[in-house]
Amino acid sequence: EAEVAQSPRYKITEKSQAVAFWCDPISGHATLYWYRQILGQGPELLVQFQDESVVDDSQLPKDRFSAERLKGVDSTLKIQPAELGDSAMYLCASSLWGQGYNEQFFGPGTRLTVL
Amino acid sequence: SQQGEEDPQALSIQEGENATMNCSYKTSINNLQWYRQNSGRGLVHLILIRSNEREKHSGRLRVTLDTSKKSSSLLITASRAADTASYFCATDRIQGAQKLVFGQGTRLTINP
Repeated sequence: EAEVAQSPRYKITEKSQAVAFWCDPISGHATLYWYRQILGQGPELLVQFQDESVVDDSQLPKDRFSAERLKGVDSTLKIQPAELGDSAMYLCASSLWGQGYNEQFFGPGTRLTVL
Repeated sequence: SQQGEEDPQALSIQEGENATMNCSYKTSINNLQWYRQNSGRGLVHLILIRSNEREKHSGRLRVTLDTSKKSSSLLITASRAADTASYFCATDRIQGAQKLVFGQGTRLTINP
């Protein structure tokens, strides 16, 4: 069964360092999402791609976060510099299309700890 | 910002009992989805209910939607230890960006 792949699974870094997360969606899924999930809360959308284009990044802290999906397949989310408040689970998801009735398939997530 | 609020925040029951979780939301929606998350893992889609539907079943899951009250409930019948997880509702709002907005979740624990 096809799955969304993410790496690394865990990342520990010191504040002010740069970190990067990678996501490979299910083949054929045009829409890719990056979510941040703080412990005890639900996921919050950071950025949504339709193919290689950003369709929603309204909640992305653009002064330190960046995301790209250059060939419309896999994607990278970067944080530079990391801050203590960035400690969270970063989840990647994909769906066939971006409409709200589409089921989203989630990867296992990257647990980020900023010291 | 989160659209939905799940109630209760935590629920602990004995194996074999039924578990009911509620979700309330603020703005009119097209669809509402329920997802499950095992500890430290990604989310798994359970069921989708459209705004013109009132009830939907999938195996041991029963979801209801009351758009007049802006609320939904998820019932898990004959619970099993493997049902221990967090459950989230996610709404797709009529106005605004085409994206899912997740609630805070209900932490369900099934005791053997």
